Parts: sequence; C-alpha cells; structure tokens
Amino acid sequence: GQQLNQSPQSMFTQEGEDVSMNCTSSSIFNTWLWYKQDPGEGPVLLIALYKAGELTSNGRLTAQFGITRKDSFLNISASIPSDVGIYFCAGQLDSGYALNFGKGTSLLVTP
Amino acid sequence: KAGVTQTPRYLIKTRGQQVTLSCSPISGHRSVSWYQQTPGQGLQFLFEYFSETQRNKGNFPGRFSGRQFSNSRSEMNVSTLELGDSALYLCASSLAAGPTGELFFGEGSRLTVL
Repeated sequence: GQQLNQSPQSMFTQEGEDVSMNCTSSSIFNTWLWYKQDPGEGPVLLIALYKAGELTSNGRLTAQFGITRKDSFLNISASIPSDVGIYFCAGQLDSGYALNFGKGTSLLVTP
Repeated sequence: KAGVTQTPRYLIKTRGQQVTLSCSPISGHRSVSWYQQTPGQGLQFLFEYFSETQRNKGNFPGRFSGRQFSNSRSEMNVSTLELGDSALYLCASSLAAGPTGELFFGEGSRLTVL
C-alpha cells in the first residue's frame, strides 16, 4: 500500500488548548478519513472527506482534505481529557480499494 | 444494534502452530476487512471479503488466509505461526456494496506468539 506520513508521532497538550495533526502522501487519494483508537478498542471513524478542499467538522473536530489530494489535516479545539488516544489518518484511492493508514499520532491531554 | 464482534479477544500460541480468528460484522454489513496492527508497522491491510469473495488482498504471505460465510461472518487463519505474527488483528465491516473508508472496527483479537 501507499505510505502515509503522519505527524507528529506524539504530542501532549494542556486541557483547553487546540491541537493540530496532519498526514501527507506521495500519492493522490480520493478519500481521506480520520479515526481515533482508545486503548483496548478498535479505531472509530471521526470524519470522512470526499472532495479536495473540503472542510468538515464533527463537534470540536475539524478536518480538511488538501487541494492537492495528497494531504489532510485534523484540528481539535479546546481539548479535553477524553481526547486522549491515537489518531489515525487513512487514505483511499477510490471505492473498492483498501484503506492505507498512517502510523498514528498519540495525543495526551494534561489537566 | 450490536457492533462488530471478534473472538477470541486474547490468545497465546507457540511458533509453528496455526490460529483461526472469527469476526461477526454488524447486521446488514456484507463487506468484511481484516487488518494487522503492530507498534512498528501500524495498521496493515490483510484482505477484504464481500459476498463470500475475496476482493482485495494485502502484501502478506500465503500463511495468512481468510474466508467469508453466507451470513457474512468471516474467519482468518494464520498457519505456521512466527514470532513476528504477534499483533492485534482487527476486523472491520462496511455497509456499502464494496469497501469504503467508512469502516466499523471490532475490538480486535490480540495474538501473542511465543
């Protein structure tokens, strides 16, 4: 599969602060997705993006599909302790193709 | 409605043995995908089944195989286990006619190979 470069690898922030993470690829994807994985659980879909330039929000989360179709960004506003977990980006070339996942960004929120 | 169910949740095997993992998708979901998750490699795609047919396959050796039954339940098998097969194996189901990015994951089966 295509390699997705996700950064930062880990980060910690203070409760109430905004955080950002991003994902880049050398290949074009037609779908970008963001998942979150809590310890002992499987990943859960947060946001799906289907159009270049698209900006989509889900509560305090906002994600953007880069106009080059080679990158995506996830922002979390006003972080809270339950935001702790590993965030994965995933790209899909087209419907019918498997997802390619980044290696994740581990987020820690301190009170 | 019940989520994706994977069994067993934890298992320990020794090198050379084989293992079978089971996945029951969300009711109505016909596509089932399997992923291997390790700290070093992250989430890697194994294969995807739809209507009992393997539609996509990742870059894993032939020791890794799977199948899907008429009720959409799926199993994956790993033969001749190696230490490097220790991982969390995740199953995900999808509602769409083909695989989409909107996957619903189970909690995984954690395999330890000694």
